[in-house]
Amino acid sequence: GQQLNQSPQSMFIQEGEDVSMNCTSSSIFNTWLWYKQDPGEGPVLLIALYKAGELTSNGRLTAQFGITRKDSFLNISASIPSDVGIYFCAGQRGVGGATNKLIFGTGTLLAVQP
Amino acid sequence: SQTIHQWPATLVQPVGSPLSLECTVEGTSNPNLYWYRQAAGRGLQLLFYSVGIGQISSEVPQNLSASRPQDRQFILSSKKLLLSDSGFYLCAWNKVAGQQETQYFGPGTRLLVL
Repeated sequence: GQQLNQSPQSMFIQEGEDVSMNCTSSSIFNTWLWYKQDPGEGPVLLIALYKAGELTSNGRLTAQFGITRKDSFLNISASIPSDVGIYFCAGQRGVGGATNKLIFGTGTLLAVQP
Repeated sequence: SQTIHQWPATLVQPVGSPLSLECTVEGTSNPNLYWYRQAAGRGLQLLFYSVGIGQISSEVPQNLSASRPQDRQFILSSKKLLLSDSGFYLCAWNKVAGQQETQYFGPGTRLLVL
């Protein structure tokens, strides 16, 4: 199925560094969602964005809904070891309805060295 | 508050055996429900979605089927498992609040077919 372009594919950083990852699409989305997945667990929602240009924070995480509605980025400041995991972006074109499905990014694997 | 459960957490099955994975949602009514498969920790593939009891839409042809016998219960089944059915199966539900829609995932079921 269709996937969003998510980059980078993986990141290996030192504890305390800032992290930035992004997703781009050729289509317009009305919603951008960012998830984190730990090994063996389901993805956990980090941030939800519903309006173009919206900038939302959740602790050390900040995400923005691109003004063109075709991209979004996620920043993590001052990374810590528990930030390790796979981060997924997901876009949704509409609201409600039977066919309003999420389109997922390919994931960014984050490794943090203490 | 809403919660989503999946059962079992882990399953090892021989090739050719039947399968039944269960997903239940609490604290909401008439949710859209989804089954995903994730291979090798990356890339979520949508398998089925349901907008109501008895209403199932299939995204990809495969060896699996889904059913929704109750409003908050979604079941993934197979009559005869294949080796290629191994993977991490995730159930999800959509929360809709006005124009804002967010998808939440269950903890997942790890299936290994031998």
